[in-house]
Amino acid sequence: QQQVKQSPQSLIVQKGGISIINCAYENTAFDYFPWYQQFPGKGPALLIAIRPDVSEKKEGRFTISFNKSAKQFSLHIMDSQPGDSATYFCAASSSLSGSARQLTFGSGTQLTVLP
Amino acid sequence: NAGVMQNPRHLVRRRGQEARLRCSPMKGHSHVYWYRQLPEEGLKFMVYLQKENIIDESGMPKERFSAEFPKEGPSILRIQQVVRGDSAAYFCASSPWAGGASDTQYFGPGTRLTVL
Repeated sequence: QQQVKQSPQSLIVQKGGISIINCAYENTAFDYFPWYQQFPGKGPALLIAIRPDVSEKKEGRFTISFNKSAKQFSLHIMDSQPGDSATYFCAASSSLSGSARQLTFGSGTQLTVLP
Repeated sequence: NAGVMQNPRHLVRRRGQEARLRCSPMKGHSHVYWYRQLPEEGLKFMVYLQKENIIDESGMPKERFSAEFPKEGPSILRIQQVVRGDSAAYFCASSPWAGGASDTQYFGPGTRLTVL
């Protein structure tokens, strides 16, 4: 019940295209959903995050869409650039665990944007 | 404002040796989380600490692993008698105190442990 399932495992997109990565969760207690970007040899960097009281959040070229009833959320990268090539992780956490807001991560999507 | 710092960045140990990984949280952050990332996998939670307290260690293996966050100095993740299966990237994250809990976690660059 703590799992977060992420797809696809890898994604190849042409420059200027839209990259879409999907995640699904089971634990209805999750109430915080961040996306992290990770380059090889680096730590994950927070990209954008959403709470279930809104269905969409946009920051620049990055948009999170959230469907509470389906327990799914997705990351859309508009106008994808070669510099966006990285591994993307969705994650979730719950306030029910008190102050211990450990993140449950998806398995990651390796995005390649072709020039 | 310096980010989360981890050292060493790379650590090589032989089976049976001890590994000590250090993490200095961002300035003003009082919460530290440790995660482990196996090759080609996502990050898995290990332990959550505040100063001088272990709050949640539900993700820590029962044996050989321990963590601390002393009043002064960095947080330490200690692995005794390492085995090849401990080879992984270990990431530390910190978050600020926000009156109860803070969601946003900032990650360090990680320590890549290789066990020969």
